This record gives sequence, C-alpha cells and structure tokens, in this order.
Amino acid sequence: DTAVSQTPKYLVTQMGNDKSIKCEQNLGHDTMYWYKQDSKKFLKIMFSYNNKELIINETVPNRFSPKSPDKAHLNLHINSLELGDSAVYFCASSQDRVREQYFGPGTRLTVT
Amino acid sequence: SQQGEEDPQALSIQEGENATMNCSYKTSINNLQWYRQNSGRGLVHLILIRSNEREKHSGRLRVTLDTSKKSSSLLITASRAADTASYFCATDGGGKLVFGKGTKLTVNP
Repeated sequence: DTAVSQTPKYLVTQMGNDKSIKCEQNLGHDTMYWYKQDSKKFLKIMFSYNNKELIINETVPNRFSPKSPDKAHLNLHINSLELGDSAVYFCASSQDRVREQYFGPGTRLTVT
Repeated sequence: SQQGEEDPQALSIQEGENATMNCSYKTSINNLQWYRQNSGRGLVHLILIRSNEREKHSGRLRVTLDTSKKSSSLLITASRAADTASYFCATDGGGKLVFGKGTKLTVNP
C-alpha cells in the first residue's frame, strides 16, 4: 500500500507547454508539501498546505500553481514550462508541521 | 537561505565499518531530522531529534545534537551495502524543513 503516491513518474515535455503533477496520500495527514530537487540533489520546499489551506509559498514563479481539492490530494500545475524547470519534484505529507515527513517517489520532469 | 550543511559531501567505507556524517546549521531550531535517499527514490525519514534532546537512537543509528555548536551528527554502526544512499539533515525552525546538500555514503561489500 503506497503511502504517498505521485503521477506521473516521468514527464518529458517541450518548452512553453503546461503540465500537471498529481499527489495523493492515504496516511490521513493534515499537511502536504511540494519540493523541488535540482540536478545537484539540493531539495527546496516550494509550497505547503494544511487542511487545504496554503501556509507556505516560497519564492516560486507564479507559473507554478498548487491546488488542494481535499486533505488527501495536492496537485501542482506548471504553466509555460522553461528549461530551468527540469528537476525532480517530490510531494510529501506529515501529520502536522513539526512532525516527520513522508515523501512520494518523485516525478522527474524534463523540459526540452 | 540554506540551513543545514552536511560534511563530508561523500564518504566511502567498507561493510562492517561505522559511518559518521555531520550537519551544521545557522539559526535556532525546533527539531532536526535526518533522511535517507536511495538513488532514484524518494526520501525516507530516519530520526527526528528535538532541540531539548542531546542524543537519540534507532536500531543501528545514533544521532546527537549540540545546540550550542549548532551541529548534529548521524552515526551508522556496522554498515551494510544496503546503507548506500544519500543522507540529508533537515532543520525545522518555523514549521518548514530546510534541507542540506546531503552526504553520499557508499558502503563497499
């Protein structure tokens, strides 16, 4: 039983396109996150939602828009993709903001 | 701004040896967490140590925290080839985790 799942696992697309990544957790957690891991393995938080409410919004281009339809889902939509958006995107969840986080398997996005 | 800095960046040891990784950070924290990432996979939580704790154990893992020096260490005893992975420390100072760049550990059989 997968705790935090993401789809798709791989995403290859051209510059200028719009794409979405979906995330679901079945742990009953209240808080969900999106992270970006670059080619040097540096992991940086992008967004965090708590009970469907946006609580962390780092300095991310507004081409990135998260959406949380319910507590168990957090999707990431990216408009007008750029080469620099190529990275691995991880979804994570936690029971609350100070607990350990559970990560999904990641979505490798390649923009050509 | 980046908070945790792991040291060394890479570590190669033989199976059965102990591996020690260090993490330094800059500002006050609520807790510090260690995660493991196997190649091509997501991160897996290992240990969380609170700012009022000095040491914590979990199986073959031992984590220490020195808030006066703003540093933590992760010790893996009797390492196995399966411990080969990248290890990240993450500091929580305000409800969000800030990750370091990680230590890449290779355990040779």
